[in-house]
Formats: sequence, C-alpha cells, structure tokens
Amino acid sequence: AQSVTQLDSQVPVFEEAPVELRCNYSSSVSVYLFWYVQYPNQGLQLLLKYLSGSTLVESINGFEAEFNKSQTSFHLRKPSVHISDTAEYFCAVGGGGNKLTFGTGTQLKVEL
Amino acid sequence: NAGVTQTPKFQVLKTGQSMTLQCAQDMNHEYMSWYRQDPGMGLRLIHYSVGAGITDQGEVPNGYNVSRSTTEDFPLRLLSAAPSQTSVYFCASGQNNNEQFFGPGTRLTVL
Repeated sequence: AQSVTQLDSQVPVFEEAPVELRCNYSSSVSVYLFWYVQYPNQGLQLLLKYLSGSTLVESINGFEAEFNKSQTSFHLRKPSVHISDTAEYFCAVGGGGNKLTFGTGTQLKVEL
Repeated sequence: NAGVTQTPKFQVLKTGQSMTLQCAQDMNHEYMSWYRQDPGMGLRLIHYSVGAGITDQGEVPNGYNVSRSTTEDFPLRLLSAAPSQTSVYFCASGQNNNEQFFGPGTRLTVL
C-alpha cells in the first residue's frame, strides 16, 4: 500500500520570499513521485516528476523538488514566489499500474 | 489534440436520480481513471482501467459503475445519487507509470 502525507494544509508567504511545501510518502515498491498544481476552478496540471535518475528535478517555472529515499520525502521548493503561484499543490506517489495516491493538498497563498 | 475532455461541467441531481459522467481522451492512453475531490481530502481514486474491457475498483468505488468499451472513452455512472456523492469529479489518462493528464472536472451537486 502507498500513502502520501502533506502536513501543511495552508502556507501563506509574501511575494519574492522562498517557500517549501512538504511531502512524505510510504511505499513498499519502487516509487514514482509527482507534484501537481491546481489553479482555482481548474483541473490538475503536472508541475514536475521523479521517475529515476537525478534526485533533483525542476519545473519550467522555477520550482524544484528533491527525492530523498532515506527520509521518504519529496519536498517542493521555490526560492522566490510570485503572486501567480497562488494555487493548491498536490503531491502524489505511483508505483504500479499507473495508479496514483494523492496527498490532501497544500494551499499556497502568496501575499503582496 | 483535445487531451482529456469531460462533460458536463456542472450538474445538479436529486437524491435517487441516475446519471453518467462522460470522459474521453485522444492520446491513445491505455490507462484511465476517475477521482473525486473533496475539501481537505485530496483526490481519491474511484475506478480505473488499464485497457479496453478491463476495469477495477479504486479506494472509494461504492455507488459508482464504470465500463471501458473503447480506448478513448471511460464513462462513470451513478445509479442512485446520494448527497454524499456531491463532489468534483476528475477523469485522467496516462501511460506507463508516467504523467497522468487530467480533464477539467465535473462539479456535481446532489440535493
């Protein structure tokens, strides 16, 4: 069985400040890890993914996440957030048959 | 490519009514799935399919039926709607343990 824990339900941050959204997972098989972003009243879009290889993965809009196997974590970071980053972020783990298990989400609110 | 499409976008039902949520994809993905999203609970898997003619239950299958007669389509049926099924429903498709592509969602209210 797989599970994902996103401990922070809401993260408020000022624009241009750094942010970290935490994600921990448990799985009995090799994992694939994902971060999805959901803007208000929209579907989910893939932000970044770890399938294999380098443990540090980056998105095109400045987010990065690092796969840490020993700590079973896949935290999402951005060194300087923008107001447009306000959204809900979901961490997900996959490991067999394309099934994904999602965390409960973290609402990132960027304030001026 | 249209990607993953869902209809309708919004629906209001009365308790006991039935309806079908439609989902289609044009990416020739073998894997398709249905999730429901509720506040504070993330997305929970309802049913999924690994190919035409093959479906299986996810985490919260009760009250929902699916079928997969073609690669493109994966409809979700509510046989007798209940207020507990008020939610936002997302369909997704994917291939080979890689990224899943999500539709825009259907917002369902059951009175």
